[in-house]
Amino acid sequence: DIQMTQSPSSLSASVGDRVTITCRTSQTVDIYLNWYQQKPGKAPKVLIYAASTLQGGVSSRFSGSGSGTDFTLTIRSLQPEDFATYFCQQSYSTPPWTFGQGTKVEIK
Amino acid sequence: QVQLQESGPGLVKPSETLSLTCNVSGGSISNHYWSWIRQSPGKGLEWIAYAHYSGRTNYNPSLKSRVNISLDASKNQFSLKLTSVTAADTAVYYCARDDEDGYFDNWGQGTLVTVSS
Repeated sequence: DIQMTQSPSSLSASVGDRVTITCRTSQTVDIYLNWYQQKPGKAPKVLIYAASTLQGGVSSRFSGSGSGTDFTLTIRSLQPEDFATYFCQQSYSTPPWTFGQGTKVEIK
Repeated sequence: QVQLQESGPGLVKPSETLSLTCNVSGGSISNHYWSWIRQSPGKGLEWIAYAHYSGRTNYNPSLKSRVNISLDASKNQFSLKLTSVTAADTAVYYCARDDEDGYFDNWGQGTLVTVSS
């Protein structure tokens, strides 16, 4: 299985801050890396797929970059509704699809 | 907009079989891949299996010996069976639509299944 390592596991930030979360995979996943946002008691919601493609309806303050084994999710100008947990997930080649352990973004 | 809704028992006894159904509305199950995913505090998010109308299925090797996924196109729903459950199978179980590129673009609300006697 492809192992996923997210960092940091948690962070504190203020409204308006720029936030960066990284995801590293144990082997190349090309661009097949997806990002999700999860709020307490809710299902995850896809933000970015194929490393950098914004899912329809998602705010443009979210962006993704990277390829191979190193990826980044950036939130430009953090908003109150962005405080949540973020997960990366790889969908390269064949299953099993695997997820990162999550990054919790908290209010400073 | 496709909507998914899980249903099934919230409590299962150890060694018994966990059975869940996902009802799909607002779209046909005859397209796309359909997955089960679970989330527990100890193991995070774990993809369990997917199925396609064509009959294609794929299972997480870590669970393959205990899992079965099936589609019922006539009811527009798909199901999960997990046998010989233990406390380690306690989790929130989600059904989700799996885009061809392997990301999950629609999710059910999730259902908590507790394994306990």
